Amino acid sequence: QSALTQPPSASGSPGQSVTISCTGTSSDVGDYNYYNYVSWYQQHPGEVPKLIIYEVSKRPSGVPDRFSGSKSGNTASLTVSGLQAEDEADYYCSSSAGRGNLRVFGTGTKVTVL
Amino acid sequence: EVHLVNSGGGLVQPGGSRRLSCAASGFTFSSYWMTWVRQAPGKGLEWVATITQDGSDRYYVDSVKGRFTISRDNGKNSLYLQMNSLRVEDTAVYYCTNEDWYRFEYWGQGALVTVSS
Repeated sequence: QSALTQPPSASGSPGQSVTISCTGTSSDVGDYNYYNYVSWYQQHPGEVPKLIIYEVSKRPSGVPDRFSGSKSGNTASLTVSGLQAEDEADYYCSSSAGRGNLRVFGTGTKVTVL
Repeated sequence: EVHLVNSGGGLVQPGGSRRLSCAASGFTFSSYWMTWVRQAPGKGLEWVATITQDGSDRYYVDSVKGRFTISRDNGKNSLYLQMNSLRVEDTAVYYCTNEDWYRFEYWGQGALVTVSS
């Protein structure tokens, strides 16, 4: 039950794009039978996490289409396009694991808007 | 509107016990798996435990197995986390969330549990 691996930090200027990776194993992110269950969360300081991407690439209602997700093998990615000041936050991925009986979060990435 | 209200946080000595509660409203509680997620001060999110809709199946992270018990009362729209044999490393904000196919859409405000002598 190891955490998924994310880069500690990422940054970009307003209007630019930033991509965050989330690397796991064939037992979680790359699990053939549960391959779609990757989600992403945004957390501003002092606030509750917010779901921004689920099932690899779907966006909940109200989440801007600047946020997009993808996956290849054991690695999922979150791209934030057209960076805005309010995108500065911590981002976490999560995945099903252990043949669906467990869940695991990523180590988290702090995104800074320069 | 969905509301998840956490309660039960506080200071507890190592080896002690604490029970967290989560009162749900605004959705059909009995239709959702429910999950506890925790976040140690200045650290990342950690999945703790999940319970199925009828409570028949429960899943735990290895570090709390045998010490924590997740439960629910669908008649009261409430989720619980009984924490025994608490350790300093269990210090965290504990969030309850509803779960729909491994995604956590709604979160409670969190309850801080501090384990210290």
